[in-house]
Amino acid sequence: ENVLTQSPGTLSLSPGESATLSCRASQSVSSSYLAWYQQKPGQAPRLLIYGASSRATGIPDRFSGSGSGTHFTLTVSRLEPEDFAVYYCQQFGSSLWTFGQGTKVEIK
Amino acid sequence: EVQLVESGGGLIQPGGSLRLSCAASGFTVSSNYMSWVRQAPGKGLEWVSVIYSGGSTYYPDSVKGRFTISRDISKNTLYLQMNSLRAEDTAVYYCASGRPFDLWGRGTLVTVSS
Repeated sequence: ENVLTQSPGTLSLSPGESATLSCRASQSVSSSYLAWYQQKPGQAPRLLIYGASSRATGIPDRFSGSGSGTHFTLTVSRLEPEDFAVYYCQQFGSSLWTFGQGTKVEIK
Repeated sequence: EVQLVESGGGLIQPGGSLRLSCAASGFTVSSNYMSWVRQAPGKGLEWVSVIYSGGSTYYPDSVKGRFTISRDISKNTLYLQMNSLRAEDTAVYYCASGRPFDLWGRGTLVTVSS
């Protein structure tokens, strides 16, 4: 099983600041098979980034993804009030798909 | 409208069985990767199963041998048969389509408790 470890667990920031979230895999992941999701309380997750760096339909350009191999990053520039949420990375490069444990971005 | 609607959740005793359904509209279940993902109260997301368009199925060790994913082409519906349920299976269960998951349902709550 490819274990994904996200850091930090919680990020306390103010609107307008930038957030940098990390996702590290225990085994190499093809960039094509790495995605990021956003989840707000009481809602289903929403796909943000696929293929490590491609934005999903309707996702604003302040969200960007990068990385390769075992280290991937999600950056949220100029945080808007609606961006405060929990973010998950996911890999589906093998037959066993896994999520990271999540990073909560909260208002400071 | 493209959407997924789950049903079948509820309160079930430990050791019991439950079948979840996920009705799809606006696209064909059998032509897509279809998955179940769960989220225990206050916890993160856990992938539970996937069925490929070709019919192959996969599960993590936590549910392997107890849960079975399937689909009914005529009803355009995805299912999750859950047997030998445990307290730790308590969660909101989401169905999701694609790889990655570009469409999610709203989820159905399963509570395993005596």
